[in-house]
Amino acid sequence: DIQMTQSPSSVSASVGDRVTITCRASQGISSWLAWYQQKPGKAPKLLIYAASSLQSGVPSRFSGSGSGTDFSLTISSLQPEDFATYYCQQANSFPSTFGQGTKVEI
Amino acid sequence: QVQLVESGGGLVKPGGSLRLSCAASGFTFSDYYMSWMRQAPGKGLEWVSYISTSGTYTKYADSVKGRFTISRDNAKNSLYLQMNSLRAEDTAVYYCAILRRGYSYGPFDYWGQGTLVTVSS
Repeated sequence: DIQMTQSPSSVSASVGDRVTITCRASQGISSWLAWYQQKPGKAPKLLIYAASSLQSGVPSRFSGSGSGTDFSLTISSLQPEDFATYYCQQANSFPSTFGQGTKVEI
Repeated sequence: QVQLVESGGGLVKPGGSLRLSCAASGFTFSDYYMSWMRQAPGKGLEWVSYISTSGTYTKYADSVKGRFTISRDNAKNSLYLQMNSLRAEDTAVYYCAILRRGYSYGPFDYWGQGTLVTVSS
């Protein structure tokens, strides 16, 4: 199975900050990567797919980049509603696997 | 709008069985592969299983293979997960999700709100 490793595990930030989360795959996955946001007690929400494509309805302050084994999710100007846990997911091969999550907190 | 509503979770003893359901609406259910994911309390996300549009093709995570069975009823717009021989480590919130058309392993466009399964004596 492909292992997905996110860093950091948590990050403290303030409203207006630029935040970057990284995700590393244990082997190359081309651009088959998605990012999800999850708030406490809620279902995950798709933000980014194909490494850098913004899901419809997602604010443009979210962006994704990378290919191969190294990827990143950037929030350009953190908003109060962005405090949540973020997960990367590889969609290159079976079984699909997720990173362990990055909690963005105040 | 797209809605996925899971049900059927609850408390069950180790070795017991449970059947989860996911009622879909707001999209053409029969056109999409569907998946189940789970999340243990305070832990990350784990893909569990998926099923093709017709139900002919299914895949499972090694952790549940031989114990769980995914199925669907396109006439009822419903997805199911039959869980047998349950273990404590199966305790989790179970989510159903829609696999984007044309993609094999993700992304998952929409997720339900989840249903909690607790396996404990």
